[in-house]
Amino acid sequence: QKEVEQNSGPLSVPEGAIASLNCTYSDRGSQSFFWYRQYSGKSPELIMFIYSNGDKEDGRFTAQLNKASQYVSLLIRDSQPSDSATYLCAVSQGSNYQLIWGAGTKLIIKP
Amino acid sequence: EAGVVQSPRYKIIEKKQPVAFWCNPISGHNTLYWYLQNLGQGPELLIRYENEEAVDDSQLPKDRFSAERLKGVDSTLKIQPAELGDSAVYLCASSLGGTSGDEQFFGPGTRLTVL
Repeated sequence: QKEVEQNSGPLSVPEGAIASLNCTYSDRGSQSFFWYRQYSGKSPELIMFIYSNGDKEDGRFTAQLNKASQYVSLLIRDSQPSDSATYLCAVSQGSNYQLIWGAGTKLIIKP
Repeated sequence: EAGVVQSPRYKIIEKKQPVAFWCNPISGHNTLYWYLQNLGQGPELLIRYENEEAVDDSQLPKDRFSAERLKGVDSTLKIQPAELGDSAVYLCASSLGGTSGDEQFFGPGTRLTVL
């Protein structure tokens, strides 16, 4: 099974700063890339997905994909304490678009 | 619109006992997933259904785990007998169809503790 790697953190970022979360994947044939947010004790919820090289912006969130280097990142601008959560990277692979999940990066926004 | 519904939310059982989890996906969602999530880890797929058909059950420990989705709507996941290592959160998710850009919507999960 192809892997998805994330730094487990915790990543501590001051309020108002930019949080940068990274994810690498091993399968060059991966099709789509997802960022999910998971609050403690809650279920994952989708933040963004991206499937083309480059940047995709949605409000304070920007997803960046570089297929040549096999990494995808999530930038959170103007970080808020409510952004404190674990961010899961998921990558769809294979003919049945199986979603392979990273272990997540715990983000802490300090007021 | 109602989200993915799961029950029970919590379950505590002794090892070797059976346990069952129920999931009702979002209306109209053809694809249903059962995941297992351990603390500090990402979800691990157990089984994926397209309507009534299990299209990916390669990670399901079939000696003790079973699942069904008889009418292509709600689904049940069963463990018999449970082992200590089965303690985890069991997540159900659904999506419209199993395409590459499909968003999966998760239920609240069932936290299983095996004593």
